[in-house]
Amino acid sequence: ETGVTQTPRHLVMGMTNKKSLKCEQHLGHNAMYWYKQSAKKPLELMFVYSLEERVENNSVPSRFSPECPNSSHLFLHLHTLQPEDSALYLCASSQIRDFQETQYFGPGTRLLVL
Amino acid sequence: AQTVTQSQPEMSVQEAETVTLSCTYDTSENNYYLFWYKQPPSRQMILVIRQEAYKQQNATENRFSVNFQKAAKSFSLKISDSQLGDTAMYFCAFMKAGTSYGKLTFGQGTILTVHP
Repeated sequence: ETGVTQTPRHLVMGMTNKKSLKCEQHLGHNAMYWYKQSAKKPLELMFVYSLEERVENNSVPSRFSPECPNSSHLFLHLHTLQPEDSALYLCASSQIRDFQETQYFGPGTRLLVL
Repeated sequence: AQTVTQSQPEMSVQEAETVTLSCTYDTSENNYYLFWYKQPPSRQMILVIRQEAYKQQNATENRFSVNFQKAAKSFSLKISDSQLGDTAMYFCAFMKAGTSYGKLTFGQGTILTVHP
């Protein structure tokens, strides 16, 4: 256990559905991240929140909408997804200091879009 | 932009033996961090080892050590006395120093299988 939890662990959704992924960190960190992990591709950074403010949106389609209501929680709202969005979605957190701290990852949500 | 390359998609090793995973990277930055992360079949990614580019000494963590060659932009991971629990996907990652948040660039990963 790394102190970062994600729910649900598995999700199957149709292309017209709306769903949300949840991430919670219990480490007192002030930065949170969403990554996408597809087969045979490197992890892709999607969004970064630092001190609850979005500081990075890595050219992610608008059908993915992040939300960070406080420093411990991060959501990824999904709507009208495509089959190519099927992947493992990983959340991570870190503590921003004068030098970079290690990112701690959650177990991921395995998403299948039909 | 930075790139990280892991040229070995899969590796295997016998239990108790030593294995080395390769990683090369490309950057114009002088100050940065390098990481090796491990992702076991249960999928939770955990940090194995971290190296600051300004440190000449190679990082070590118990059975895990790195060979950091800054001029060659090479960062290999050596696992000594391999154990069955070391079976996992291993990712090499790069992070530029001095930014307001951590932006990791990952390699494609190497699947390591440890055989009894």
